[in-house]
Amino acid sequence: QKEVEQNSGPLSVPEGAIASLNCTYSDRGSQSFFWYRQYSGKSPELIMFIYSNGDKEDGRFTAQLNKASQYVSLLIRDSQPSDSATYLCAAHLSGNTPLVFGKGTRLSVIA
Amino acid sequence: NAGVTQTPKFQVLKTGQSMTLQCAQDMNHNSMYWYRQDPGMGLRLIYYSASEGTTDKGEVPNGYNVSRLNKREFSLRLESAAPSQTSVYFCATEQGARGQPQHFGDGTRLSIL
Repeated sequence: QKEVEQNSGPLSVPEGAIASLNCTYSDRGSQSFFWYRQYSGKSPELIMFIYSNGDKEDGRFTAQLNKASQYVSLLIRDSQPSDSATYLCAAHLSGNTPLVFGKGTRLSVIA
Repeated sequence: NAGVTQTPKFQVLKTGQSMTLQCAQDMNHNSMYWYRQDPGMGLRLIYYSASEGTTDKGEVPNGYNVSRLNKREFSLRLESAAPSQTSVYFCATEQGARGQPQHFGDGTRLSIL
């Protein structure tokens, strides 16, 4: 079964630190990868996407993709209490299948 | 630009009642999806419609039916609600071209007593 795996957490980091969230996927043919942020009681919100190996930066967020090792990560620099949320990793696996979501990692940024 | 609109936002049902959750989008996206989200379970795909006129089962379709009314609207029906269907339901849309992200509505919080 094609899967996307995340550590459920909680991951606790102090304010101002770098938060590192990781995701692995089982299908080597996966092509596109997404990070969503979900605040408690709210819907998932797209924050980053990455298609190619390497790093992609957007403000305080950096997505990293390593297709050889089949992992994708999200780095949040200068973490703020407002970053406290659940982060969902998602991937378009090979074949004509819907986006597959991980179960999410809960991040807590401590002031 | 409303994006993805779900109605109702909250609903309480009694066991055995029927209910239709509505989803409408103004993003001109081809694909639409229904998920349920329960604590510790992540998002689970119920049904999806890759394009107008098609629907397919997802991971947890039992107890649900769907209708893709037109390109804009995708409804989810519970014919005989059960307490196990108490959940938060999200509708999402996707352009349909390979590699595009999904965009979510605000969700419907459904409680079945």
